[in-house]
Amino acid sequence: GQQLNQSPQSMFIQEGEDVSMNCTSSSIFNTWLWYKQDPGEGPVLLIALYKAGELTSNGRLTAQFGITRKDSFLNISASIPSDVGIYFCAGQRFLRLTQGGSEKLVFGKGTKLTVNP
Amino acid sequence: DTAVSQTPKYLVTQMGNDKSIKCEQNLGHDTMYWYKQDSKKFLKIMFSYNNKELIINETVPNRFSPKSPDKAHLNLHINSLELGDSAVYFCASSHRDRRAYEQYFGPGTRLTVT
Repeated sequence: GQQLNQSPQSMFIQEGEDVSMNCTSSSIFNTWLWYKQDPGEGPVLLIALYKAGELTSNGRLTAQFGITRKDSFLNISASIPSDVGIYFCAGQRFLRLTQGGSEKLVFGKGTKLTVNP
Repeated sequence: DTAVSQTPKYLVTQMGNDKSIKCEQNLGHDTMYWYKQDSKKFLKIMFSYNNKELIINETVPNRFSPKSPDKAHLNLHINSLELGDSAVYFCASSHRDRRAYEQYFGPGTRLTVT
């Protein structure tokens, strides 16, 4: 099945540092998304990317849709303590089913971020 | 003004029991999903419903049966619970259009089977 390789698995950084994480796949995806999950909560959508090469920002977060459509990157600038959590990439491939399309997301295994004050 | 809500938040039960988890969304979405997150935090889709119709059914034991009474609700019933069913179950919802992949998740239900 489709798999997303997300790296690094975990990161320990100092407050104020920049963070980079990425997601790669052997398959082409039509959409890439980045989610953040806080402890005890559900994943929250951070950024959605729709076109190859697209670069999108959300505050201190910037994500890019790789031109090969097989990868995506998330950068966090000037990290702060509340950035701690698990960051997931997710890719979407449109599935054609008899009753209309379906939007199945495949998730990476997450990057656990720890920010030391 | 909770967008996607789930009940209960925690569920502790014994092997062999039958239990249900409820999900409701007030976002006006027409597609809802159930995900399972294991102890290693891996998220995997189980089911997807669009306007009360099942559109995704991953390789999930038939002890798991989703029920969608209307497009704002998607419940998950689990029969004959097993130890391996212990996990966090997330409900999510989205629109069924070009941005359908922007899924919004509930807070999760932590199921512990003893």
